[in-house]
Amino acid sequence: SQQGEEDPQALSIQEGENATMNCSYKTSINNLQWYRQNSGRGLVHLILIRSNEREKHSGRLRVTLDTSKKSSSLLITASRAADTASYFCATDRGSTLGRLYFGRGTQLTVWP
Amino acid sequence: GAGVSQSPSNKVTEKGKDVELRCDPISGHTALYWYRQRLGQGLEFLIYFQGNSAPDKSGLPSDRFSAERTGESVSTLTIQRTQQEDSAVYLCASSPVGGNYEQYFGPGTRLTVT
Repeated sequence: SQQGEEDPQALSIQEGENATMNCSYKTSINNLQWYRQNSGRGLVHLILIRSNEREKHSGRLRVTLDTSKKSSSLLITASRAADTASYFCATDRGSTLGRLYFGRGTQLTVWP
Repeated sequence: GAGVSQSPSNKVTEKGKDVELRCDPISGHTALYWYRQRLGQGLEFLIYFQGNSAPDKSGLPSDRFSAERTGESVSTLTIQRTQQEDSAVYLCASSPVGGNYEQYFGPGTRLTVT
C-alpha cells in the first residue's frame, strides 16, 4: 500500500506563483524525501529532510516536516513552466534498509 | 559522470512470453533497487540489492518475477509468462551505500504486454 499520500492530486498555476504540495504518512520515519518525475520516466531527487529537522531549503524549494502530524509540505517559489512535473514524497517507514515507500504524487502544471 | 542506464527503453511483448530488463547502476554504488510504476500511480518497491547481502525480495508480486545482480554492477529483472497486468514502467535506482540516502533513478523501461 502507498505510504505517502500527496495532495492535491493535481495543481495548475501561472508562472511566478508559488506551488505548495502536501504529503501525509502513517508510520514513524527516519527521513522523508521528495522526488520529481517528468513525463512518467526517471525520478530526480529534490531534497531529503530528517525526522529531527523541521525545515529545509534548496534554491527555490522549501520543505517542512511536522512529525507530530505526520505530514510534510513542498513549496516551490516563483514557479516556472519547467517546473511542470509530478512530485512524489517517499518515506522509509522507520527502516534503515533503504527501501522507500512512495505516494501517488501531485501533478503540477505551470502555465507560461 | 554516467547515470543509471536501463535497457530496453520500451518493450512490447505478447502475453505468456518472458522478458528481461537490464539496469546498469552508477559505478561504485553498492545499493540497487527495482520499482514498478503503473500508469498514474506511485512507485511500488520490487527488490533491493545491497553489496553481498541477501537481496530483499519482499516486494516481488509473484514467483514469475525474479532478479539477479552481478557483484555490484549490472542487474537483470526477469518476468516469466508475462500477463497484461505486468504492463508498467520498471524503474531501477542505485545509491552509493545502503540505508536511507537519496536514490538515483534510471529512465525506466516501459513494458507493454499485449
